[in-house]
Amino acid sequence: KQEVTQIPAALSVPEGENLVLNCSFTDSAIYNLQWFRQDPGKGLTSLLLIQSSQREQTSGRLNASLDKSSGRSTLYIAASQPGDSATYLCAVAPMEYGNKLVFGAGTILRVKS
Amino acid sequence: SQTIHQWPATLVQPVGSPLSLECTVEGTSNPNLYWYRQAAGRGLQLLFYSVGIGQISSEVPQNLSASRPQDRQFILSSKKLLLSDSGFYLCAGREVGSPLHFGNGTRLTVT
Repeated sequence: KQEVTQIPAALSVPEGENLVLNCSFTDSAIYNLQWFRQDPGKGLTSLLLIQSSQREQTSGRLNASLDKSSGRSTLYIAASQPGDSATYLCAVAPMEYGNKLVFGAGTILRVKS
Repeated sequence: SQTIHQWPATLVQPVGSPLSLECTVEGTSNPNLYWYRQAAGRGLQLLFYSVGIGQISSEVPQNLSASRPQDRQFILSSKKLLLSDSGFYLCAGREVGSPLHFGNGTRLTVT
């Protein structure tokens, strides 16, 4: 059974720092991995989707990498801003049941001004 | 691009009353559609998903049901709400291999 773990559970950093959020998964047989952001009381916003054949994806100050063989993904946020404060979740689409994504519990990020 | 519309944003219902939450999708055809519930401070729980009209898979036995009467419409229902049905309900959709997109959610409080 696929399990997704996100470390750390919470992170507080000063504005301007570069930071890394981690996501690990137990079964490397996945179609893709997706990173989301959730603001309090809101739905999830898709940030980046990495297909299993890709190593990384970039969007603005965000860069997500995927190492399928080791079951790891990282989300790198450059020059963090207070507006980046949110919960970040990763999810994988397992080949075993590709219609259903398996989500991690998320990392709560606070960027202090 | 794909947009998920979900309403209402908040809902307060008494125990034993019926429920109907509607979700519609724009910008795609034949999407996979999903209903999730998120309890306070907890992760996402998949409730139902659908790969096509009339095709519903239930993930968690409970007091809720789902229907997909049209390609881009997904409805979450209950005949009689329980206190434990309170939570944040999220509709999501995607084409296979494409990003999953979420609606803004419905905050349901059962009193």
